Amino acid sequence: KAGVTQTPRYLIKTRGQQVTLSCSPISGHRSVSWYQQTPGQGLQFLFEYFSETQRNKGNFPGRFSGRQFSNSRSEMNVSTLELGDSALYLCASSSPGSPGYGYTFGSGTRLTVV
Amino acid sequence: GEDVEQSLFLSVREGDSSVINCTYTDSSSTYLYWYKQEPGAGLQLLTYIFSNMDMKQDQRLTVLLNKKDTHLSLRIADTQTGDSAIYFCAEILPWDDYKLSFGAGTTVTVRA
Repeated sequence: KAGVTQTPRYLIKTRGQQVTLSCSPISGHRSVSWYQQTPGQGLQFLFEYFSETQRNKGNFPGRFSGRQFSNSRSEMNVSTLELGDSALYLCASSSPGSPGYGYTFGSGTRLTVV
Repeated sequence: GEDVEQSLFLSVREGDSSVINCTYTDSSSTYLYWYKQEPGAGLQLLTYIFSNMDMKQDQRLTVLLNKKDTHLSLRIADTQTGDSAIYFCAEILPWDDYKLSFGAGTTVTVRA
């Protein structure tokens, strides 16, 4: 069974640009959530989607947005990139059948803003 | 407390047991998790425990839960060099569904 797939693995962008990250969940998983990981702030929750609906959102500015498609794949977008957006962005998927309703994470997308 | 708290570093000799401690936020949190992160990788779900359990054992891993003190621990028996990683404790708060709240992570270094 394929795991959570995130593309691309690495990205370098310039301040002011925008970026779109993609996440394909485990087959059959309908919940997808996104996290930002930085050395200073640790793991911070961005948002969670289920059946194309956002069910929860973290405390990030409106520059951070996401969406989920009917096949459960998800994208997140960051507009007007800032240097502080440099981070590892992790996607996770889950289903009621997951062990302990736990989330399975992808390997992440490493975004560097220069 | 407002945050999930963990000690930042743990050094252990190969073959010994490791104990990683965590204080979580709320005694009503239903699900508690331990994740492992190796360099350059995502998070791997190691184990979980439901709040109605005191202990859970899974091969070399033992999780102990003290709801009264909101304390969670992970014991790794016979620690190996492959266990060197960052370990994160996480909870899902009952009023904040579908969101994992993580501690800062404990960096475990296994020395020969």
